Amino acid sequence: DAGVTQSPTHLIKTRGQQVTLRCSPKSGHDTVSWYQQALGQGPQFIFQYYEEEERQRGNFPDRFSGHQFPNYSSELNVNALLLGDSALYLCASSLLSSEQFFGPGTRLTVL
Amino acid sequence: SQQGEEDPQALSIQEGENATMNCSYKTSINNLQWYRQNSGRGLVHLILIRSNEREKHSGRLRVTLDTSKKSSSLLITASRAADTASYFCATETGFGNEKLTFGTGTRLTIIP
Repeated sequence: DAGVTQSPTHLIKTRGQQVTLRCSPKSGHDTVSWYQQALGQGPQFIFQYYEEEERQRGNFPDRFSGHQFPNYSSELNVNALLLGDSALYLCASSLLSSEQFFGPGTRLTVL
Repeated sequence: SQQGEEDPQALSIQEGENATMNCSYKTSINNLQWYRQNSGRGLVHLILIRSNEREKHSGRLRVTLDTSKKSSSLLITASRAADTASYFCATETGFGNEKLTFGTGTRLTIIP
């Protein structure tokens, strides 16, 4: 049984570009959450998707958007990249009312 | 913003010793969870303690929760080199599958 998978592992972009990160949840899970972790900090909640809709959102600008597909996989899109968007982006999946399982993350570097 | 803070920020101990990390948080919670992170990769779930529980054990891990003081502690007994990692506490305020709010983490180094 595969756990949470994320792609790509690493990504390098330049300021102003757009990026899409992908997440496949653990088998049987229907909820996907995205977190941003800056170097030396704890993860910060970006948003959560359930039944293909954004269920909760953290304190992130509209440049951060997402999508959940009918198979429960999810994408995180970031537009107009800033240097400060450089971070580890973590995806977590869960089933309602259960613990969240995290993927290995995507390391985004913005130059 | 971060919900809480771990204390200490960094901890180095000899292999075989016990390691204790503390977490403080600011608002009422439904549960508190501890995660481990190796070398800036994904988070591994260690243990979940609910707001009506005071202590929980899992293998070499012991977690306590004091809701009156809004604090929790994680004890790792008989530490091993493989325990070297960053440890985070995370709180959930809703009832079921809500967002997690993480602390700042404790960097634990086990010296062989």
